[in-house]
Amino acid sequence: GAVVSQHPSWVICKSGTSVKIECRSLDFQATTMFWYRQFPKQSLMLMATSNEGSKATYEQGVEKDKFLINHASLTLSTLTVTSAHPEDSSFYICSATRTVGHEQFFGPGTRLTVL
Amino acid sequence: AQRVTQPEKLLSVFKGAPVELKCNYSYSGSPELFWYVQYSRQRLQLLLRHISRESIKGFTADLNKGETSFHLKKPFAQEEDSAMYYCALSGQGAQKLVFGQGTRLTINP
Repeated sequence: GAVVSQHPSWVICKSGTSVKIECRSLDFQATTMFWYRQFPKQSLMLMATSNEGSKATYEQGVEKDKFLINHASLTLSTLTVTSAHPEDSSFYICSATRTVGHEQFFGPGTRLTVL
Repeated sequence: AQRVTQPEKLLSVFKGAPVELKCNYSYSGSPELFWYVQYSRQRLQLLLRHISRESIKGFTADLNKGETSFHLKKPFAQEEDSAMYYCALSGQGAQKLVFGQGTRLTINP
């Protein structure tokens, strides 16, 4: 149990377009979902924390108008990269938790390439 | 500020040898420490957490508050242990994780 999926697994887009990435908890209700960014050979950097039905909390330095997060249900959170640029190319990973203090279950990640 | 340091980016040991992956942290309160592992072409998954005091796949980790360390150890490495290992910290009562840079462990036959 506790499976998290992401869609798409990879996406290539043109500079200036917007890209939406979905994160779903398949067999549990996720009270909280997290979005991370990982550059090649680097660690995961938390971008934002989202709770169902409320606004996401963004980490310092993360532009909330550029990285729109919506957590409309207990099983789905979306990250939209607006007006993407080549520097937004990265590996985006989501995770979900069931209750406070429990482990985070990670999705497989989405590789975004902006041309 | 919360910080996790994994001093070794790469670690290579022979099968059957002991392995220790180092992790040091900086946190003013009482943190919760974790080790996550990512096998080749798989997603990140929890290996162990300090509060459970378990041994998972032969790995153990002890929280040393005096040295602010949470090193991961295994007495006899196996080839299937080859993976990327991340040490992570969450603040007391908080959910969000701060990750170290990761250590790529390679077990040579």
